[in-house]
Amino acid sequence: ILNVEQSPQSLHVQEGDSTNFTCSFPSSNFYALHWYRWETAKSPEALFVMTLNGDEKKKGRISATLNTKEGYSYLYIKGSQPEDSATYLCAFSSNQFYFGTGTSLTVIP
Amino acid sequence: NAGVTQTPKFRVLKTGQSMTLLCAQDMNHEYMYWYRQDPGMGLRLIHYSVGEGTTAKGEVPDGYNVSRLKKQNFLLGLESAAPSQTSVYFCASSLEGSSYEQYFGPGTRLTVT
Repeated sequence: ILNVEQSPQSLHVQEGDSTNFTCSFPSSNFYALHWYRWETAKSPEALFVMTLNGDEKKKGRISATLNTKEGYSYLYIKGSQPEDSATYLCAFSSNQFYFGTGTSLTVIP
Repeated sequence: NAGVTQTPKFRVLKTGQSMTLLCAQDMNHEYMYWYRQDPGMGLRLIHYSVGEGTTAKGEVPDGYNVSRLKKQNFLLGLESAAPSQTSVYFCASSLEGSSYEQYFGPGTRLTVT
């Protein structure tokens, strides 16, 4: 069993604040690192898939970085909006997938 | 396109009963996955399939069986349900392997009494 850790567990920010979360994973047998957004009463939706050390991905106000040598990825949200409120999951892939428990983000209007 | 669908959405079973959860995808994806979601825990992989006719064990396979007779369908079976199998089950599919994003179904909430 591999350990994928996400921090913080939960976060409350004011609308307009920028924020970031961390995903830590084993640095060996790395295939890919996924980020998913999971809104209440819906299913997880993919944000990014990163495979190379140093990868940076961006989608609108959300971006992510990857460091496979030290085993971490950061997800950044710039200028948080209430609709960004969700749980953000990361998943580490070696020969199969291991998900973290997520960071629950609440953006207060 | 419907994407990934799961049947049923809810089910209550008594201990010892059996049932099959159906996952269907219409995106011609090769890979399919079954996960369970429990409070305080991340999604945990039960079984997965890398193509029609193939299956493999994930992190928590005990008590479950799967079959992938058709590319678009991935079935999860519980032969003798136990209260520890009370969970929300999610199916997902991806075009190919780990470098491709997964598309998730809406989930099945199973309660075993």
